[in-house]
Amino acid sequence: EPEVTQTPSHQVTQMGQEVILRCVPISNHLYFYWYRQILGQKVEFLVSFYNNEISEKSEIFDDQFSVERPDGSNFTLKIRSTKLEDSAMYFCASSVQGKEFFGPGTRLTVL
Amino acid sequence: DQQVKQNSPSLSVQEGRISILNCDYTNSMFDYFLWYKKYPAEGPTFLISISSIKDKNEDGRFTVFLNKSAKHLSLHIVPSQPGDSAVYFCAASAGGTSYGKLTFGQGTILTVHP
Repeated sequence: EPEVTQTPSHQVTQMGQEVILRCVPISNHLYFYWYRQILGQKVEFLVSFYNNEISEKSEIFDDQFSVERPDGSNFTLKIRSTKLEDSAMYFCASSVQGKEFFGPGTRLTVL
Repeated sequence: DQQVKQNSPSLSVQEGRISILNCDYTNSMFDYFLWYKKYPAEGPTFLISISSIKDKNEDGRFTVFLNKSAKHLSLHIVPSQPGDSAVYFCAASAGGTSYGKLTFGQGTILTVHP
């Protein structure tokens, strides 16, 4: 069964460094998303992406964040200058007919 | 932001019995609801969904009920199995320009005892 994949599974970085989280959505899906879950908190929406542009973003998704679909398969989330509070699980998702399928997540640890 | 609430942090059920997980929402623009199951160190796994034009949707052992007037939905698992032990999240979306943007509840930890 097709699935969303994410790399790396765990990323450790120093505060102020740039990180890129990568995702390969399910191939026939048209909508792509990033969510995050800070330890002990809810899963929170960050951004949705459709037709090569952002369709909606949350207040969390400030100028430090960007998304890109550099080719036909990958979907990336870039954090330009990481902060301690960016430490979280980051989930990529893709959808068809309203059902979103999530990847296994990338655990980002900012030191 | 408490638009989607799961008021029970945990639920413990005997194998073979029914598990009922509850979810309340406040945003009347929500028109599509989903339940996800999550194991530690994994992403949420889609279980079942329901559109606001329906009041019930069934898929095998899983049934979701929607009460729009009460802004309440529930997930029934019958019969419960030990492998169902996980965190269950309720999520909702509003459609339109917010298509696909899911708002999650806090989750309910379900433990099914053999």
